[in-house]
Amino acid sequence: QQQVKQSPQSLIVQKGGISIINCAYENTAFDYFPWYQQFPGKGPALLIAIRPDVSEKKEGRFTISFNKSAKQFSLHIMDSQPGDSATYFCAAIDSNSGYALNFGKGTSLLVTP
Amino acid sequence: DAGITQSPRHKVTETGTPVTLRCHQTENHRYMYWYRQDPGHGLRLIHYSYGVKDTDKGEVSDGYSVSRSKTEDFLLTLESATSSQTSVYFCAISESREGFETQYFGPGTRLLVL
Repeated sequence: QQQVKQSPQSLIVQKGGISIINCAYENTAFDYFPWYQQFPGKGPALLIAIRPDVSEKKEGRFTISFNKSAKQFSLHIMDSQPGDSATYFCAAIDSNSGYALNFGKGTSLLVTP
Repeated sequence: DAGITQSPRHKVTETGTPVTLRCHQTENHRYMYWYRQDPGHGLRLIHYSYGVKDTDKGEVSDGYSVSRSKTEDFLLTLESATSSQTSVYFCAISESREGFETQYFGPGTRLLVL
């Protein structure tokens, strides 16, 4: 069963706009939350990650917001660019279960010029 | 790709034949993983290894076996391939980042079972 739920499935944003992708989880054993970016024909690439004791983390134009009580986290891409067009996956790790990733189903982002 | 190579990169095979995919890493990482990626399902864990000869099952392990006889190689075997195993297979290693283990992926193997 999908332990991490991700929405929306697809997203179209104009250049310069803000892209927002949301994820939710139920398993309180999860203790690390990475986001991956994947271009067609490539493997997923680690983009940014957050620990549950932090409410926000920013790296360049990418920000993760984390709400531990609601068991939700989101990725914000500021000033979205056409080069950001890719599929984005949220994930969660339980460090007591081999550090395996539990992925959301992905969001296909298209940034239009 | 964090020093990870996968071979073959593409393979076409017939139903009922055995298939072995290889993942090779050069940086002595302890943890290695096999995932499959399918439209509408994202990536799902097949098996993982936490050391030589130490492996465990993931969410979708039925029909797959793995072996790790040395640190650098993690093999995924489909004993008798079925059309439902047509997929893109990704190997990953785990590396410490900010005090947490997280994963870096190889380039993938595209498998078509006819």
